[in-house]
Amino acid sequence: NAGVTQTPKFQVLKTGQSMTLQCAQDMNHEYMSWYRQDPGMGLRLIHYSVGAGITDQGEVPNGYNVSRSTTEDFPLRLLSAAPSQTSVYFCASSYSYSYYTGELFFGEGSRLTVL
Amino acid sequence: TQLLEQSPQFLSIQEGENLTVYCNSSSVFSSLQWYRQEPGEGPVLLVTVVTGGEVKKLKRLTFQFGDARKDSSLHITAAQPGDTGLYLCAGVRRTGTASKLTFGTGTRLQVTL
Repeated sequence: NAGVTQTPKFQVLKTGQSMTLQCAQDMNHEYMSWYRQDPGMGLRLIHYSVGAGITDQGEVPNGYNVSRSTTEDFPLRLLSAAPSQTSVYFCASSYSYSYYTGELFFGEGSRLTVL
Repeated sequence: TQLLEQSPQFLSIQEGENLTVYCNSSSVFSSLQWYRQEPGEGPVLLVTVVTGGEVKKLKRLTFQFGDARKDSSLHITAAQPGDTGLYLCAGVRRTGTASKLTFGTGTRLQVTL
């Protein structure tokens, strides 16, 4: 099973450029989310989705857009990249949006550098 | 605002030693999870604790949820090099649309021979 697949694994952008990080899961999970990971700050939630057509903001949504047109895909768009968005981005999914004992399945991460 | 503080931030020990990692918050959580992350990979769930005071064991790892469901600890007995990694606690809170996870700051553990 592929699980959660993220592309690209590495990307370098110039300030002001836009790009999309792709995330796909093949487990028919309702819940999908995007986190960024920065040293000493753990994982911070950017956006999440509880099903196709439904998205909501997390802790640090500014500068990012998401959409969920299918159950499988949850792309993250950087509108105008800034150096502060240099980070490692993780996509994660879970079976149910109402879980509180369930497991988050993570992708391998996408390392983004903004110059 | 970081709701979950982990300590220590870094830990370097020798094989066979014992260690404890702490995860503290001023907020109450519905449940608390512990994940381990290895370099170049995403976090992987180790355990979920739900009840205040609950203790769960996973081989040499012992997890405890505080009585007030605000804190947790991870104790590793006789650490091995395979335990090396980043340990993350995550508190779960129920909200109107979805349960949300708040991750801790992380503890990076290195176990040497």
